[in-house]
Amino acid sequence: AQSVAQPEDQVNVAEGNPLTVKCTYSVSGNPYLFWYVQYPNRGLQFLLKYITGDNLVKGSYGFEAEFNKSQTSFHLKKPSALVSDSALYFCAVRAMNTGFQKLVFGTGTRLLVSP
Amino acid sequence: KAGVTQTPRYLIKTRGQQVTLSCSPISGHRSVSWYQQTPGQGLQFLFEYFSETQRNKGNFPGRFSGRQFSNSRSEMNVSTLELGDSALYLCASSSGLGGYEQYFGPGTRLTVT
Repeated sequence: AQSVAQPEDQVNVAEGNPLTVKCTYSVSGNPYLFWYVQYPNRGLQFLLKYITGDNLVKGSYGFEAEFNKSQTSFHLKKPSALVSDSALYFCAVRAMNTGFQKLVFGTGTRLLVSP
Repeated sequence: KAGVTQTPRYLIKTRGQQVTLSCSPISGHRSVSWYQQTPGQGLQFLFEYFSETQRNKGNFPGRFSGRQFSNSRSEMNVSTLELGDSALYLCASSSGLGGYEQYFGPGTRLTVT
């Protein structure tokens, strides 16, 4: 069975500092990995994805993520955090083995960026 | 393009009743997925449809059912509502399965009393 772990319930960072939101996964077969963000009282928005190719993927709002197959991780990063980045971040994985499996989400990490 | 729309946005039902939620995907999207979001359980997968066929199903009781129409619009139904069914139900659409990103609607907030 596939699973995603986001080990931190909350990440606190000061504005202007780099941020990292951690994600590890477990799948049988090739993983398709995604990051989504949920702002208060708003739906989930797609940030970026890894399907194949370059391990470093860039997405919306200056975010990027690095796929590490040996560590089965897909951490979300941003060089300089903004207060407006404060939101709930979800990592998700879909496995491709005998057909496409369901998309499984992590429990979410709340990012709090202080001025 | 218009985004994913869900109706109704808010719903209050009584235990034992049934409810139908509707989702209209982004034009051209053929895949629709449904999720239940609660503070305690996070985002739980319900169903995924592609071209009117259910492709994946989550671990929910048979009271939860869904379908997709030929125009890709989708409905989900919950029968014999329980208090624990109170949640935000999210619909998402995508161009296809696999590596396609999903675009989420605003959700339907269901409260069961």
